Amino acid sequence: DSGVTQTPKHLITATGQRVTLRCSPRSGDLSVYWYQQSLDQGLQFLIQYYNGEERAKGNILERFSAQQFPDLHSELNLSSLELGDSALYFCASSVSGTVEGHGYTFGSGTRLTVV
Amino acid sequence: AQSVSQHNHHVILSEAASLELGCNYSYGGTVNLFWYVQYPGQHLQLLLKYFSGDPLVKGIKGFEAEFIKSKFSFNLRKPSVQWSDTAEYFCAVNANQAGTALIFGKGTTLSVSS
Repeated sequence: DSGVTQTPKHLITATGQRVTLRCSPRSGDLSVYWYQQSLDQGLQFLIQYYNGEERAKGNILERFSAQQFPDLHSELNLSSLELGDSALYFCASSVSGTVEGHGYTFGSGTRLTVV
Repeated sequence: AQSVSQHNHHVILSEAASLELGCNYSYGGTVNLFWYVQYPGQHLQLLLKYFSGDPLVKGIKGFEAEFIKSKFSFNLRKPSVQWSDTAEYFCAVNANQAGTALIFGKGTTLSVSS
């Protein structure tokens, strides 16, 4: 157990639907990062939050959004789902807002299947 | 845009063979470099990292990596692999000017036969 908790572990939904993925960072970590892992694209950075504020944005689609709550857990919202959104979504956390001096701690991921 | 290339998609070795996995990045400034490993069904775990200093970095489980700035490379090595090293290996780069996100390569699957 890495200390980063992601729920649910698996999710199957239909095209056009909306889902919410949840991530609780390791105790004491203030930054949360979301990544999408697919066979063709590999691990793609989506977005980072630090202490409740958006810190950096990557290849996140407009249909996707995220937020970090006062208790530091984060949610990734995926809407108008398409077949191509099927992937493994990872959350990672780190102590500070910068990666220097610390690596990430990854969760086990949520496998999303869009049918 | 910065990118990370891992040359080998799938490597197959016998136990006790030596391993070298290639990683090249495109960013020309100061970088922080990482190797992560993902065992089947598990989360990504940090193997080793380079921020500054000695370009030869030692990590967990006997792995090491060498940062060669002139070649923009950070190759992962292990002198003698074990069956338990079967996993997917990811190289990642953080360029200070690009914020704190790690940019990952597409990964290399290592299969070790006993």
